[in-house]
Amino acid sequence: DGGITQSPKYLFRKEGQNVTLSCEQNLNHDAMYWYRQDPGQGLRLIYYSQIVNDFQKGDIAEGYSVSREKKESFPLTVTSAQKNPTAFYLCASSIGGGGNQPQHFGDGTRLSIL
Amino acid sequence: QKEVEQDPGPLSVPEGAIVSLNCTYSNSAFQYFMWYRQYSRKGPELLMYTYSSGNKEDGRFTAQVDKSSKYISLFIRDSQPSDSATYLCAVMDSSYKLIFGSGTRLLVRP
Repeated sequence: DGGITQSPKYLFRKEGQNVTLSCEQNLNHDAMYWYRQDPGQGLRLIYYSQIVNDFQKGDIAEGYSVSREKKESFPLTVTSAQKNPTAFYLCASSIGGGGNQPQHFGDGTRLSIL
Repeated sequence: QKEVEQDPGPLSVPEGAIVSLNCTYSNSAFQYFMWYRQYSRKGPELLMYTYSSGNKEDGRFTAQVDKSSKYISLFIRDSQPSDSATYLCAVMDSSYKLIFGSGTRLLVRP
């Protein structure tokens, strides 16, 4: 089945630790996105990539890093510099970054602090 | 002022009712409008996508956009308990980034 796979579903981080969230898509989409969702808030854009080997900061990029070495993969690293990492992280993709290309989402990774 | 405002609810209705979910937005330049449904502990699922003012219908769902009032709505006819979820509106800005409302929780009682 075509879709977006995020792993793991649940992740725990210790103080001072970096953790990496996986996002893989087999939809042959060019654009990929990472969002953060906090209770009672809408999704906020962390990073996005419209093409392999290129990515841009979103609205809340501080404390996060990404890479886009393959079209199907867009991993997100939550670094120790992110002081409030507890949230639900969502990965999305779209055919391209244009206005007529809606985004489709994976089922998320819930990150908590130990 | 937030760019997209959405009443958080919760909104509780009996099965079979017509549900009206609404959002307002601040920037008249927004041109693309979406509704997503999100079940608990799941990712958002695209329900409706519209470009211009007017109505778009898909089964029991109708999306309505009023650009003059900067108001978007989602109507659900013959609501079912399986429609119980959080509904997120989203608009696309001029750089093709999505801006989301905070979501409305809907509960359809059997």
